[in-house]
Amino acid sequence: EVQLVESGGGLVQPGGSLRLSCAASGFTLSTYWMTWVRQAPGKGLEWVANIKQDGSERYYVDSVKGRFTISRDNAKNSLYLQMNSLRDEDTAVYYCARRFDIWGQGTMVTVSS
Amino acid sequence: DVVMTQSPLSLPVTLGQPASISCRSSQSLVYSDGNTYLNWFQQRPGQSPRRLIYKVSNRDSGVPDRFSGSGSGTDFTLKISRVEAEDVGVYYCMQGTHWLPAITFGQGTRLEIK
Repeated sequence: EVQLVESGGGLVQPGGSLRLSCAASGFTLSTYWMTWVRQAPGKGLEWVANIKQDGSERYYVDSVKGRFTISRDNAKNSLYLQMNSLRDEDTAVYYCARRFDIWGQGTMVTVSS
Repeated sequence: DVVMTQSPLSLPVTLGQPASISCRSSQSLVYSDGNTYLNWFQQRPGQSPRRLIYKVSNRDSGVPDRFSGSGSGTDFTLKISRVEAEDVGVYYCMQGTHWLPAITFGQGTRLEIK
């Protein structure tokens, strides 16, 4: 079964850091662009970042540039999102997605003092 | 960034009746390769988004044929021929044509049963 499972969310203070992981199974991660999308409580979907199959290209929404880093380890079938200098407005459910056709269940990140 | 505007934002529908959601983009979504990268997603209450339609009119595997997508350029539509109870949720359009600088979603349309 093709599946994505996120982990690593939690409560963090403003200015803190968190690393999200996304474990892929049922397909070969190395053949797909991968994406992080977030959804603030009660709000719509917002694309966060993309990474090319070999990690050579990475793109971010303006609001996270310089603070978030998307990465991948194809040997471990895993995708990551390192989030630094977190702000209240980063509070959201974070989804990893395989080129938007397969989505994980999401992991909640709450930034609050 | 390309702005995606959906209407209506709330859509009460009687079971068995058709439903239609509009999505308009601030720029043409025709890519240089001739494709139009416009997707539709469904998000049921408490669930992750699920892609229904890709490249305007192609249904994803397992999507009932009562869902259809159409449109071109800047105007797109998602239609449900006969609404069922399991269709309740929020529907989003998303453009991937102008992915630099950003992939963008519409605000979402909440479908409810009257």
